[in-house]
Amino acid sequence: QVDLVQSGAEVKESGSSVRISCKTSGGTFGSHAISWVRQAPGQGLEWVGEILPILDTVKYDQRFQDRVTITADGSTRTAYMELRSLRSKDTAVYYCARVSLGDLSSIYFDYWGQGTPVTVSS
Amino acid sequence: QSVLTQPPSVSGAPGQRVTISCTGSSSNIGASDGPHWYQQLPGTAPKLLISGNSNRPSGVPGRFSGSKSDTSGSLAITGLQAEDEGDYYCLAYDHSLSGWVFGGGTKLTVL
Repeated sequence: QVDLVQSGAEVKESGSSVRISCKTSGGTFGSHAISWVRQAPGQGLEWVGEILPILDTVKYDQRFQDRVTITADGSTRTAYMELRSLRSKDTAVYYCARVSLGDLSSIYFDYWGQGTPVTVSS
Repeated sequence: QSVLTQPPSVSGAPGQRVTISCTGSSSNIGASDGPHWYQQLPGTAPKLLISGNSNRPSGVPGRFSGSKSDTSGSLAITGLQAEDEGDYYCLAYDHSLSGWVFGGGTKLTVL
């Protein structure tokens, strides 16, 4: 059974940084990419970026490229997302999701974390 | 503005059939097995509903089905139930952007 458990809610001041963790269990950590997705209040899903732990390669959406860093620790089966220079528009629920195995044309997000609410106050 | 286009809302009475469309392009839906579909019930994380445009994970009722034609896909829900009320999203990998793209989401209301 695969499970992704995220760290708890965060309240941050504008201009600061937040780091969210996503601890996985079940399945093989490393060979599955872990993606991060956010959802602002009342809005849709927005992809932030992802990491493939076995190769330590990352991809970021260009909207976040300058402010986000995604890392992974194989020894604890945990992925992390750090977002810097926070502003009020970054207030959202942040989800991690496991990417299924396969080639680019066939993969999808098969399991999701429970979400981490981040509130940015000015 | 989302890369994948979905209708903002659909509705139907219990027992009826509804469909939700997802329109993309040759760099995403047209270049993959997607779109993939997710259900998000109020206050919960998204959950995989359909992968590879027509495959249901175990536990997903057969009332949910997907189809695809070129650069568009559709999610069909038959025998609507009150518990189906929520938001539905399509997802695909975009080879031009080298990243994932979502539809804007469709709110399903069961009348």
